[in-house]
Amino acid sequence: AQSVSQHNHHVILSEAASLELGCNYSYGGTVNLFWYVQYPGQHLQLLLKYFSGDPLVKGIKGFEAEFIKSKFSFNLRKPSVQWSDTAEYFCAVSLYGGSQGNLIFGKGTKLSVKP
Amino acid sequence: NAGVTQTPKFQVLKTGQSMTLQCAQDMNHNSMYWYRQDPGMGLRLIYYSASEGTTDKGEVPNGYNVSRLNKREFSLRLESAAPSQTSVYFCASSKGEVYEQYFGPGTRLTVT
Repeated sequence: AQSVSQHNHHVILSEAASLELGCNYSYGGTVNLFWYVQYPGQHLQLLLKYFSGDPLVKGIKGFEAEFIKSKFSFNLRKPSVQWSDTAEYFCAVSLYGGSQGNLIFGKGTKLSVKP
Repeated sequence: NAGVTQTPKFQVLKTGQSMTLQCAQDMNHNSMYWYRQDPGMGLRLIYYSASEGTTDKGEVPNGYNVSRLNKREFSLRLESAAPSQTSVYFCASSKGEVYEQYFGPGTRLTVT
């Protein structure tokens, strides 16, 4: 079955540190890729998405992600994190022609930023 | 636009009771979804409706039923609640199955 893996369960950084969260998926066909953020006590909000074109995608709040097709990866990056970035981050993949007509989510990475 | 709305926000049930979670979207989206979120488990799809008039099981459908009432509304019913159904439930909608989903604020359900 298709799956999405997020490598880190919990990441702790100090403010101004750089962030990279890993995401890999297992599907050989065409995909759309997404990163969502969930602030404490809130619902999921879309950070950025990739459908086609430039594999480097810029999202809201200074986040970006790079799609590397050969590695089946879509890692999320931010050059300098802030305390307000403390949240849980979910990678998700939708499949063209897959067995599920919906998003497959990773289990999430909790980010804690120390002021 | 309100986006995706859910009612209620909080609910406490006793084992064996039934209830319906309501979801509505005003974005003219075709597809709607119900997820549950449990600590360390991420989001798990319960049921989805790719378009008005269709519903399909997701990863964890047991103990739930859904109704796509019209294009705007998608309800989730628990016929006989169990403690294992204690969770946060999110409704979502999207333009189509491969597009980004927009989430509602969630319902926190506790079954005692």
